[in-house]
Amino acid sequence: EDQVTQSPEALRLQEGESSSLNCSYTVSGLRGLFWYRQDPGKGPEFLFTLYSAGEEKEKERLKATLTKKESFLHITAPKPEDSATYLCAVQYSGAGSYQLTFGKGTKLSVIP
Amino acid sequence: KAGVTQTPRYLIKTRGQQVTLSCSPISGHRSVSWYQQTPGQGLQFLFEYFSETQRNKGNFPGRFSGRQFSNSRSEMNVSTLELGDSALYLCASSLGVPSYEQYFGPGTRLTVT
Repeated sequence: EDQVTQSPEALRLQEGESSSLNCSYTVSGLRGLFWYRQDPGKGPEFLFTLYSAGEEKEKERLKATLTKKESFLHITAPKPEDSATYLCAVQYSGAGSYQLTFGKGTKLSVIP
Repeated sequence: KAGVTQTPRYLIKTRGQQVTLSCSPISGHRSVSWYQQTPGQGLQFLFEYFSETQRNKGNFPGRFSGRQFSNSRSEMNVSTLELGDSALYLCASSLGVPSYEQYFGPGTRLTVT
C-alpha cells in the first residue's frame, strides 16, 4: 500500500481555470509535508513545507493547505508556465531524519 | 548562494561496470540524501548522510553505496550495473536541525546499456 497518494495523476486546465491537487498520506507521526515542482529533465524545486493540520502557505498563484490526513495544492488562475509535475512528500517518525517519502506526482498541463 | 551541484550530468555505462556520482551541497548544509527516480517507481530514497555518517538507508541492494566527506560533499557508487539501474539520480541537501527542508540538485542521468 502506498504511503503517499496523489490525485489526479494528470490534469489539463485552461489558462485561468483554477483547480486543486490532492495528496493523501497514511503514515503516522508526520513531521512535515513538502510540495515540490519538477520540470522535465530537472531536479525537484522546493515550494512549501507544512507541519501541522490547519497550516496554510502561499506563493504567487499557489496555496498549500494541510489536514490530518491530506494536503491540497490550490492553483489560482494558472498560466502556461505553471505546467509541470507537482510532487508531494512526507517526513515521519520511523523513517530517517531527512528521508522524504514521495507520491507519484500530478502532471499539470495549462493550455493557453 | 549556489545551489546543489551534481556531476556528471549524463553518463552512459555498460552492464557489469561500476559508476561513481558526485554531489556538492549548498554551502553550510550538513545533510545529503540520495534518491533514484524512474518512470515506474517515481522517487525512491537511497540513503542519507549527516556529518560523514550514514544515518539511514533505503531498500536497495548492497551494490548501491555512498559516503560523505568532511566538507559535506557526497559520492554514491553503484557496482555491477544492471539495465534496471538506468534512472535519474538526485541528490538533496539540508541545513540540518531545526530545518529539515531538502533542496535538490539537477540530477545525474545514468543510462545502462
